[in-house]
Amino acid sequence: NAGVTQTPKFQVLKTGQSMTLQCAQDMNHEYMSWYRQDPGMGLRLIHYSVGAGITDQGEVPNGYNVSRSTTEDFPLRLLSAAPSQTSVYFCASSYQITSYNEQFFGPGTRLTVL
Amino acid sequence: GQQLNQSPQSMFIQEGEDVSMNCTSSSIFNTWLWYKQEPGEGPVLLIALYKAGELTSNGRLTAQFGITRKDSFLNISASIPSDVGIYFCAGPHNAGNMLTFGGGTRLMVKP
Repeated sequence: NAGVTQTPKFQVLKTGQSMTLQCAQDMNHEYMSWYRQDPGMGLRLIHYSVGAGITDQGEVPNGYNVSRSTTEDFPLRLLSAAPSQTSVYFCASSYQITSYNEQFFGPGTRLTVL
Repeated sequence: GQQLNQSPQSMFIQEGEDVSMNCTSSSIFNTWLWYKQEPGEGPVLLIALYKAGELTSNGRLTAQFGITRKDSFLNISASIPSDVGIYFCAGPHNAGNMLTFGGGTRLMVKP
């Protein structure tokens, strides 16, 4: 198993550009989520999905879109990047939303928006 | 939303020392989780606590679920250089079960 994979590892964007952060898992997990990590603020939930075709907003969804067309993939889209979206982004997955002791995080994508 | 406050924000200790950190909330949590994040990596779960008063160990790490259900503690005994990282507490929202994370405690260990 590769676990949770994220690409790219690093990305620099200009304000207004769009891009998609990729996340994939090969553990047949139903629950997938996206977090952003900013210094001193821990991880904050952006969007999550409890299964293919189902997505919902987390704590800080503005400026981000997601879709879940397959169980394996959960891409995060920035439609018009802003400097406030400079952060480290983590994808996570688990069997269920309450499978806290079996939740795995990807290695992260470090995004800088100029 | 619910907030988790971690203290201290950072610690710089000598190898071999014991470490204590805590996490507090104004709301009751039914589950407490402790994660470690090493540089350039995602968080990894260390210990999960499910009952008030519960004390659970994982090697040199011991975590406790406070009896008020509004706090939790993590202790590391006889620290070693590979303990370096950021330690996060987390717990699920009562509604929706999504995780809230504390701001983290950054641990640095001097050999």
